[in-house]
Amino acid sequence: EVQLVESGGGLVQPGRSLRLSCAASGFTFDDYAMYWVRQAPGKGLEWVSGISWNSGYIGYADSVKGRFTISRDNAKNSLFLQMNNLRTDDTALYYCAKHLMIFGVVPQGLFDYWGQGALVTVSS
Amino acid sequence: EIVLTQSPATLSLSPGERATLSCRASQTISNYLAWYQQKPGQAPRLLIYDASNRATGIPARFSGSGSGTDFTLTISSLEPEDFAVYYCQQRSSWITFGQGTRLEIK
Repeated sequence: EVQLVESGGGLVQPGRSLRLSCAASGFTFDDYAMYWVRQAPGKGLEWVSGISWNSGYIGYADSVKGRFTISRDNAKNSLFLQMNNLRTDDTALYYCAKHLMIFGVVPQGLFDYWGQGALVTVSS
Repeated sequence: EIVLTQSPATLSLSPGERATLSCRASQTISNYLAWYQQKPGQAPRLLIYDASNRATGIPARFSGSGSGTDFTLTISSLEPEDFAVYYCQQRSSWITFGQGTRLEIK
């Protein structure tokens, strides 16, 4: 059974940093591109970042480019999102998501499994 | 950025009725369109990908159609568990989502 479990969320002041983690199990992690997608309270879905199976291709939404860094550790079946210089509009539930297709292309994300999300609240 | 516009914002129907949800892209996206269902307190669930392919385990009452800029998700006969928010998503040029359609019980 595929499982994605996010951790690392919390309350943080504007301008500070936070690091999210996603522990994956139930599939061959290093065969799949992985993503972060967020959802602000009561709002829709927004793609944040994606990373290819071998970390060779990485992409970011314009709203987070230069502030967020995605990475993965295939030996530990883990995905990460380092979030720096956080803003109040980064407040959201952050989902870790898996690409549907093996060796899927990062810019053509398609999400067949999602975690339950990690809540990030940016407030003074 | 490709903008996806979903209509209607809210759809009120009764169980057993047919639901038709629309998604329009600001430029052509071929068939790179997916549909997700999200229930309160849950993560989204992939229903349809590449416009008309049902994801694993999705009931046959869900179907998708369209290409280019205009797409449709049809639920042939609504079950009580189908009332939720539905999002479309394009992957032709990076990734964007529509704003969602809320399907509510009439």
